[in-house]
Amino acid sequence: DIQMTQSPSSLSASVGDRVTITCQATQDIGKYLNWYQQKAGKAPKLLIYDASNLETGVPSRFSGTGSATEFTFTINSLQPEDIATYYCQQYDSLSSYTFGQGTKVEIK
Amino acid sequence: QVQLVQSGAEVRKPGASVKISCKTSGFIFTDYYIHWVRQAPGQNLEWMGWIFPYSYGTNYGQKFEGRVTMTRDLAITTVYMELTRLTSDDTAIFYCVRARQPHIAVAGDFWGQGTLVTVSS
Repeated sequence: DIQMTQSPSSLSASVGDRVTITCQATQDIGKYLNWYQQKAGKAPKLLIYDASNLETGVPSRFSGTGSATEFTFTINSLQPEDIATYYCQQYDSLSSYTFGQGTKVEIK
Repeated sequence: QVQLVQSGAEVRKPGASVKISCKTSGFIFTDYYIHWVRQAPGQNLEWMGWIFPYSYGTNYGQKFEGRVTMTRDLAITTVYMELTRLTSDDTAIFYCVRARQPHIAVAGDFWGQGTLVTVSS
């Protein structure tokens, strides 16, 4: 099974900062990777699909890049409402799907 | 608008089974794969499997094979997930999730609100 290593597990940044999260896959998954935001007590929300495509209605300060085994998620200019845990998820085989361990983002 | 509305919280004893429903609306039910994902308290998200309502095809994660069954009712555009032989490790919030594109089992976009299942003696 493909494993996803997400880092860091948590971070603290100031409002306006750029925040970067990475996900590494144990094998080539092409661009089959999503990024989700999960706020406390809520279901996850899709932000980025196919590694770099912004979901409709999602603010443009969120972005994703990468392919194969290395992926990066960025929040440009962190806002207070961005406090959440962020997860990557791969879906390369369409028969087995794996999430990263999550990154908890807090305001400094 | 797309909606997935799940059934309410459940409490079960170890060894019992639970069946959760996910009522869908706002899209063509038979066109989209529906995934099930669970999240134990304070833990990571874990994919359990998918069902394709059109063909009744299913695909279960290896960890759940033999304990999980996903079904659907076309008439009421609802999918179900039943998990048997519950243990305390199954205490979690269970989510249904619609695949983002029709006819292909890509990862999801719209999520249900979640159903808390507590397994306790």
